[in-house]
Order: sequence, then structure tokens, then C-alpha cells
Amino acid sequence: SQKIEQNSEALNIQEGKTATLTCNYTNYSPAYLQWYRQDPGRGPVFLLLIRENEKEKRKERLKVTFDTTLKQSLFHITASQPADSATYLCAPPAGGFKTIFGAGTRLFVKA
Amino acid sequence: DAGVIQSPRHEVTEMGQEVTLRCKPISGHDYLFWYRQTMMRGLELLIYFNNNVPIDDSGMPEDRFSAKMPNASFSTLKIQPSEPRDSAVYFCASSAGTGNSPLHFGNGTRLTVT
Repeated sequence: SQKIEQNSEALNIQEGKTATLTCNYTNYSPAYLQWYRQDPGRGPVFLLLIRENEKEKRKERLKVTFDTTLKQSLFHITASQPADSATYLCAPPAGGFKTIFGAGTRLFVKA
Repeated sequence: DAGVIQSPRHEVTEMGQEVTLRCKPISGHDYLFWYRQTMMRGLELLIYFNNNVPIDDSGMPEDRFSAKMPNASFSTLKIQPSEPRDSAVYFCASSAGTGNSPLHFGNGTRLTVT
């Protein structure tokens, strides 16, 4: 069955550094992949979508890569800020119009 | 744009009672999704609708769960009878009518069944 894995352990980094989060998938080849941010007590918020024919996508301080050979997507936040502290979710499609979500990685950015 | 609106924000009920969760999607969105989030299982898709018609309910845990979408601006998720293991945060999301359209989530209903 389709499987998505994100680092279950929290990532702690210092303000100003680059945060890198990993999403690995197995048993299928999604045509695209989305990344969402979730804050405590709130619903996930869409950040970026990357398609299989795109190696990299950028939006302000965010960068996403998509390696279909490694079956992996990396999510980078450059010049991180305490306000970037949240849980980040990887979300590939799962057939039809279904979207499935990884467990998420909690990011803490210390001032 | 008011976003996806869910009610109530919190619901505490006793085992065996009926629970109804409500959702108003973003106007013009053709798809509506119900998800459940727990620490153990993360975000799980329960059911989704297209143009008010249920398309895939394979994620609905059992017959105690039912969902309806009587019109384009309203959906309900009902649990009858509720059990403690149903305690979770239930999210509603909507999206426009293309396969890779992002999901717009509400802020969820935190359900506690005692």
C-alpha cells in the first residue's frame, strides 16, 4: 500500500539557519506532491505544490525539491524565524481526488 | 473569503450519544472532504464529495459514521452512537475542481467522548 514517511522526531534549529524536512514515499509514484503547514489548534494550510517534472519550486524563503528516483521530497526554509515554528505535512495524491498526509515533522526555531 | 467554517469548535459528549459536526465549504468549491486527526494515526481521510455526491467513503471507520451534503454550502458528519475511541479532531476541507487543487481546511472540531 502507499506509504509516506516524515521524520517523526522534532527538528530544533537556531534562528537564521536553514531547516530541511524530509518526505519519503514508497509503493507508488505520485504525479505531484503538496506541502502544508499546521499550527496548534488550526487546520493545515497549503504552502507549495511541486509536480514530478519539476525538480525544484520556490516561494519566498521556502524551497521544495522532488526526486522521483529517490522517491523523496525535501522542504527547506531558509533564514528561519521563530514564527516558522509549526508542524509541516507532506501530502501526495492517492488516486482520484484524494490527498493523503504524512505524520508531519514539528519544527522549533529558537531565537 | 470567509474560508471553511466548522462548528462546533469543541464537543464533549458521553458514550452512546449522537454527535453531529457541521461544515460550510468555500463558495464555488466543488469538492468537500472530511478528515480525522489523532496523535496515533495522523490525518485520515474519511469521505469526500463532488458536487454534493459522495464519491469515496472507504475511510469511514464503521457504520456508526455517516456524512451528508444536502447542498453545495453545507455538510454534516454524524456519529451515532459515539464511543471514546472516536475522540479526535475532525477537519473539513474544500477544494476547487481540479485534481491538484490545494485543500482549504477549517479549524476543526475537537471531539471528546467520555
